[in-house]
Amino acid sequence: AQKVTQAQTEISVVEKEDVTLDCVYETRDTTYYLFWYKQPPSGELVFLIRRNSFDEQNEISGRYSWNFQKSTSSFNFTITASQVVDSAVYFCALSERRDDKIIFGKGTRLHILP
Amino acid sequence: ETGVTQSPTHLIKTRGQQVTLRCSSQSGHNTVSWYQQALGQGPQFIFQYYREEENGRGNFPPRFSGLQFPNYSSELNVNALELDDSALYLCASSPGLAGGQETQYFGPGTRLLVL
Repeated sequence: AQKVTQAQTEISVVEKEDVTLDCVYETRDTTYYLFWYKQPPSGELVFLIRRNSFDEQNEISGRYSWNFQKSTSSFNFTITASQVVDSAVYFCALSERRDDKIIFGKGTRLHILP
Repeated sequence: ETGVTQSPTHLIKTRGQQVTLRCSSQSGHNTVSWYQQALGQGPQFIFQYYREEENGRGNFPPRFSGLQFPNYSSELNVNALELDDSALYLCASSPGLAGGQETQYFGPGTRLLVL
């Protein structure tokens, strides 16, 4: 069965600190896709990144970086030098090739304190 | 901006009523998916439409139904509203038959409150 677990419900850090959001997933498919979305208070889900199961190369995009490890079924997200504007709820999500839906975790609410 | 719009932004209904929520996808996006997000939870998949045909459904009862139109607009209809239907309803569009192979782009959502 598909499942996404975000164990951290809420995190607070002071501006300019680095913060890592954890994500663990379960799937029986060998081909799958992982996502991170950001949801600011306005409610709109903002797409951040998509990775497929065959590409374990970690990625850095500006202050964001992602660490994908199939051996531990984890897809963690790090924000470097956090800013107040990064405050939001972050969702990790999973989709299998054979399926049409995205399964979301329950989200991690991130507070960046000035 | 994802180019996906939803209306209305907020809605209040009473139990037992019916509601229609609307979504306008990006031009050229043939797939639209609808999600329900209860307070403090992640979005849950309701169903997906591809070229006006239902193409997958989550664990939602038949009183949740949808339509997709050729002009890239779509509707989510909910009959016999229940208090637990209070949630943020999100639509997402993608260019083709999605699966996980394509990224879905979300609209701002409609907040529905059922009293």
